Amino acid sequence: DTEVTQTPKHLVMGMTNKKSLKCEQHMGHRAMYWYKQKAKKPPELMFVYSYEKLSINESVPSRFSPECPNSSLLNLHLHALQPEDSALYLCASSQEGGVNEQFFGPGTRLTVL
Amino acid sequence: GEDVEQSLFLSVREGDSSVINCTYTDSSSTYLYWYKQEPGAGLQLLTYIFSNMDMKQDQRLTVLLNKKDKHLSLRIADTQTGDSAIYFCALKAGGGNKLTFGTGTQLKVEL
Repeated sequence: DTEVTQTPKHLVMGMTNKKSLKCEQHMGHRAMYWYKQKAKKPPELMFVYSYEKLSINESVPSRFSPECPNSSLLNLHLHALQPEDSALYLCASSQEGGVNEQFFGPGTRLTVL
Repeated sequence: GEDVEQSLFLSVREGDSSVINCTYTDSSSTYLYWYKQEPGAGLQLLTYIFSNMDMKQDQRLTVLLNKKDKHLSLRIADTQTGDSAIYFCALKAGGGNKLTFGTGTQLKVEL
C-alpha cells in the first residue's frame, strides 16, 4: 500500500466553524507532514511530525492545530479561520531521514467563507 | 534561506522532448527531487538524484545535475499529452525532513 489518503476532499466552512482534516498512511512511515498550497504555487510546509512528536512548526497561526494520534494518522484541526486560509491542504509521509521520498495525498480543498 | 527558481511555463509538441530547468543557491543539498502535479491532485514523486551523481535515467525521464552551476534539469523524452502538469523541483539539505520546493513550471503539451 503506497497511498496517502485524505478526507474530506472538499470542505467549505465559515469563519466561526470548527472542523478537522484527516490524513492516513499505512506505509510504516514515521514522518508526516502538513502543507498548504495556493493555486499554481509550490506547497508551503506547515508542520512536521517525527515519531508522533511535533518536530517542525513553520510559525503557523494557532487557528491551525495539528495532532498525530498514532503513527498512521495525522489530523489538522481548524478554528476561526480567515478567508485567506482558503487553499489546498496536502498531507505527506516519508521514512525518517535518508532519501526522504515524500508521498503526498490528494489534498483537501478548503474554502473559508 | 534557499532560493529555488524555475521558469513559469513551457510549451512543447507531442512527441518532442521537454526540458524543465531548476536553479538553486544552497550548495549543501543532499537529495534533489522532481514532482509532478496534475490539476486538482496532490504531488507525485517522479524521480530523485543524490548530490554526488551527475545523471540519472529512469525510462523516459533523465535528470541532469550540474553542482558547479547549481543547476538541475528534467528531460522528458517523447512527451505525451498526459505529461501536461506543473513540475516542481525540490531540494533537501542535510539529514532533516524539510524540502525546499522550486517555483514550479507549467508544462503544456500540444498536439
